[in-house]
Amino acid sequence: DGGITQSPKYLFRKEGQNVTLSCEQNLNHDAMYWYRQDPGQGLRLIYYSQIVNDFQKGDIAEGYSVSREKKESFPLTVTSAQKNPTAFYLCASSPTSGGPTGELFFGEGSRLTVL
Amino acid sequence: SQQGEEDPQALSIQEGENATMNCSYKTSINNLQWYRQNSGRGLVHLILIRSNEREKHSGRLRVTLDTSKKSSSLLITASRAADTASYFCATDPNTGNQFYFGTGTSLTVIP
Repeated sequence: DGGITQSPKYLFRKEGQNVTLSCEQNLNHDAMYWYRQDPGQGLRLIYYSQIVNDFQKGDIAEGYSVSREKKESFPLTVTSAQKNPTAFYLCASSPTSGGPTGELFFGEGSRLTVL
Repeated sequence: SQQGEEDPQALSIQEGENATMNCSYKTSINNLQWYRQNSGRGLVHLILIRSNEREKHSGRLRVTLDTSKKSSSLLITASRAADTASYFCATDPNTGNQFYFGTGTSLTVIP
């Protein structure tokens, strides 16, 4: 089935460690996004990519890094510089690369907890 | 922040009743979308309404858009227990290349 796969679903990290969240899509979508969701809040954009080898910062990019080496993959690294990384992370994709004119397709999310 | 806001934050109704939630936003938009999120899951797209449309229907869903007031409403008719979820609006402004999500309405439908 076509869709977006995020892994791991749950992740625990010690302070000072970097962790990488995986996001893979087989929808042949150009654009991919990473959002952060905190309890009781909406989604905030971390990074987005509209084409391979190119990505832009969202509203809360500090302490995060991404890469887009393949169209189907958009991994997110949460670095030790991110001061409050405990959150629910959502990856999404969209078929349009010229701007968001269509719907977003979401993965099931990864819950990161810092111990 | 360009993020929208949903109202109410939480809503509890009996099965069979209608549920109405509202979304307000701050800038001119190309379109507005509504998404649903079950607890601990990803978001699922429900419906998209373009800035030149005023009302749209999809099954038990009815969405309205008032661009002069920068607001939208989502009506779920004849609610079911399975409609229990959080509902978010998302806008894409005329400028920029990203979506902005509201803070969500948590809907509980009591059987």
